[in-house]
Amino acid sequence: GQNIDQPTEMTATEGAIVQINCTYQTSGFNGLFWYQQHAGEAPTFLSYNVLDGLEEKGRFSSFLSRSKGYSYLLLKELQMKDSASYLCAVRSNDYKLSFGAGTTVTVRA
Amino acid sequence: DVKVTQSSRYLVKRTGEKVFLECVQDMDHENMFWYRQDPGLGLRLIYFSYDVKMKEKGDIPEGYSVSREKKERFSLILESASTNQTSMYLCASNSADTQYFGPGTRLTVL
Repeated sequence: GQNIDQPTEMTATEGAIVQINCTYQTSGFNGLFWYQQHAGEAPTFLSYNVLDGLEEKGRFSSFLSRSKGYSYLLLKELQMKDSASYLCAVRSNDYKLSFGAGTTVTVRA
Repeated sequence: DVKVTQSSRYLVKRTGEKVFLECVQDMDHENMFWYRQDPGLGLRLIYFSYDVKMKEKGDIPEGYSVSREKKERFSLILESASTNQTSMYLCASNSADTQYFGPGTRLTVL
């Protein structure tokens, strides 16, 4: 199975940068996903990493180190609409996703 | 445009009722999943399916069953609903590099 840890809450100011860390222990790794979820809505896909390194998509970037069992999601130029829960998920070789409990990010003016 | 749809956004049922939650995807994906999401517990996998008529138990299958008669449709069944099954239910299907979620069904069992 998977054991996935991420911080419960983070707060940042509009325009700032926030980094959400995720550590995992896995019995079979086949990719790491980040999702954004606004209250009462379904998760929406942000990024996918399967190889080590940084993937950049506009204001959002995601990093993976497989040897360390570590990933982070970097949110730049924060906007109020970025206030949401961010979910780290690890996929195993049978295509099952295991999710962390989520990090609630609050962006303040 | 990728689409996963669920039959209801909100549902209220009584204890002991049989409940069907339907999910349809239009991407020809082989893998489909049912999760429930509860505050403080995150997303937990109930059942998943790799292909038509195939099903595998997830982490919390007790009290649930599933049906996959067609590739595009994956149904979650609560045989006898109980109050502890009040939750947000999310269906998903995946391709090689992402997993798409439906809008969710918020089920309340009274």
